[in-house]
Amino acid sequence: ETGVTQTPRHLVMGMTNKKSLKCEQHLGHNAMYWYKQSAKKPLELMFVYSLEERVENNSVPSRFSPECPNSSHLFLHLHTLQPEDSALYLCASSQGGGETQYFGPGTRLLVL
Amino acid sequence: AQSVTQLDSQVPVFEEAPVELRCNYSSSVSVYLFWYVQYPNQGLQLLLKYLSGSTLVKGINGFEAEFNKSQTSFHLRKPSVHISDTAEYFCAVSDLSRASGTYKYIFGTGTRLKVLA
Repeated sequence: ETGVTQTPRHLVMGMTNKKSLKCEQHLGHNAMYWYKQSAKKPLELMFVYSLEERVENNSVPSRFSPECPNSSHLFLHLHTLQPEDSALYLCASSQGGGETQYFGPGTRLLVL
Repeated sequence: AQSVTQLDSQVPVFEEAPVELRCNYSSSVSVYLFWYVQYPNQGLQLLLKYLSGSTLVKGINGFEAEFNKSQTSFHLRKPSVHISDTAEYFCAVSDLSRASGTYKYIFGTGTRLKVLA
């Protein structure tokens, strides 16, 4: 699938590093989402952007900083992460904040 | 608050046998229901969805699900599975967030389907 792409697919970082995850959607959607998928836990919604404006922040620590420069791109800036932040980070998009979301392949993050 | 329950964390089944993956949700209002599949090292792929209309929904790869409002269930079925169906399956409920005006998903914890030769 190429509707929603994410880079990098894998990332290893130390707790003092700063890195960014990138998501791009080619579906013409105008809402984008970040999810965290940890082992043995349900997917957790982190952030929602609609029309490039952040409309939801589900109590996510400030060491995660999202950015949505336009309707096709979404970033997640990471700094001073903890080992428990290791997870699969999934990006999704939908049209008009609609009921069906389309997911990217995810970035598997390991924090050492 | 809404919740989604997938009681079976793992379901082993032999190839060509039928399978049912269970999903129950809690909601007092109309919701939209989804099943997604996640193959190893991949993102979530939409299998099927129920928005309205017929309670029997057909999806990709021969899967179908039945919406049962009285039992608040949305079980996923396939009459004959293949080795390639080995994956994790997620049930989700979506409803409109008043705060954001967008739809929020609540996911179950997933069911790992393992198809045995």
